[in-house]
Amino acid sequence: DAGVIQSPRHEVTEMGQEVTLRCKPISGHDYLFWYRQTMMRGLELLIYFNNNVPIDDSGMPEDRFSAKMPNASFSTLKIQPSEPRDSAVYFCASSFFSDTQYFGPGTRLTVL
Amino acid sequence: RKEVEQDPGPFNVPEGATVAFNCTYSNSASQSFFWYRQDCRKEPKLLMSVYSSGNEDGRFTAQLNRASQYISLLIRDSKLSDSATYLCVVYTGTASKLTFGTGTRLQVTL
Repeated sequence: DAGVIQSPRHEVTEMGQEVTLRCKPISGHDYLFWYRQTMMRGLELLIYFNNNVPIDDSGMPEDRFSAKMPNASFSTLKIQPSEPRDSAVYFCASSFFSDTQYFGPGTRLTVL
Repeated sequence: RKEVEQDPGPFNVPEGATVAFNCTYSNSASQSFFWYRQDCRKEPKLLMSVYSSGNEDGRFTAQLNRASQYISLLIRDSKLSDSATYLCVVYTGTASKLTFGTGTRLQVTL
């Protein structure tokens, strides 16, 4: 059974460019979470959805970040414009109930 | 004060040793507790849930003390493959979200 799928696995871009990260949750899961991980701040929750509806986006750092979940099998996290301080590993996770979460392999983003 | 606090380590232990990690959490309304394991450049993976009665999975034992808001993980007979970062995780149902500690790094050596 496939786990959470994320793409791309690595992204290198220049400051000011738009970045779109993609996630396919585990089939049947009704919660989807976006996290960011850095050495300095650890793992931070950015936003999460329940049944495709955004529930809590208080972790989204600023208006440059946006996330959508148009259907139960797909979500995107967009950064526009990107900045060097956005460099991090971005994880998507999904769960059936919100406590036991399964993580994707992550997207390693580098903004030059 | 951070919601979930852990000693970052690293803990350097020889193979076969017993090692214990501790974690404290600040929200007394927290409902569920977990240990996740994260290997270098990989995603976090659920290691085990933590119950008030304590639970054991092979060489791993987890304990929860709600009165002290304290969680522990004990690893017996450490293996080289146990080298990883161990994340203490707390679930608060009212917010429907997990809060992760910054992790404790374990390095098991020959």
